Amino acid sequence: GQQVMQIPQYQHVQEGEDFTTYCNSSTTLSNIQWYKQRPGGHPVFLIQLVKSGEVKKQKRLTFQFGEAKKNSSLHITATQTTDVGTYFCAVTSGSRLTFGEGTQLTVNP
Amino acid sequence: ETGVTQTPRHLVMGMTNKKSLKCEQHLGHNAMYWYKQSAKKPLELMFVYSLEERVENNSVPSRFSPECPNSSHLFLHLHTLQPEDSALYLCASSPQPVSSYNSPLHFGNGTRLTVT
Repeated sequence: GQQVMQIPQYQHVQEGEDFTTYCNSSTTLSNIQWYKQRPGGHPVFLIQLVKSGEVKKQKRLTFQFGEAKKNSSLHITATQTTDVGTYFCAVTSGSRLTFGEGTQLTVNP
Repeated sequence: ETGVTQTPRHLVMGMTNKKSLKCEQHLGHNAMYWYKQSAKKPLELMFVYSLEERVENNSVPSRFSPECPNSSHLFLHLHTLQPEDSALYLCASSPQPVSSYNSPLHFGNGTRLTVT
């Protein structure tokens, strides 16, 4: 099945610093989804990217899909303690949605 | 309230027990999923049901047996589990199967399973 590599695995930042997580695939993706899982919680859908070079914003979060549709990034500007959690990318292959390993973000106040 | 309800929230069972996990979705979705989330591992897809038909079985051991009696309910029957099966089991649903565009997953809160 489709696989994605997600980096970094962990990221510790001071509140107010920026944060970026990356997903990379060796094959062209039809689309990519991003999810957030708070500690002790369940994954929550954030966004889906479909088009080559697509950029979408949600307040302080910016999502990008690469021109070749083989990579994607999630950037958070000026992190807050509410951003703590694990961010997952997920890709579709047939009826499967395969998740990356996630980036665990901790924010020091 | 996620729209996807899982019970029980926590379960401790011995290796010889038989138990079942239950998932119910109130969103009118047509596809349902079981995922396993272990510590330090990515979410692992176990089973996919689309309109009550199993469309994906991701090489899961037979000690896990899914059941989907209707599009709103999904069960995972467990028997003779091993300690390494201890994990968070997450149920999810989507409007259409993920092969369709714009079908994000809505997850339940999960069942934390401990096998002793």
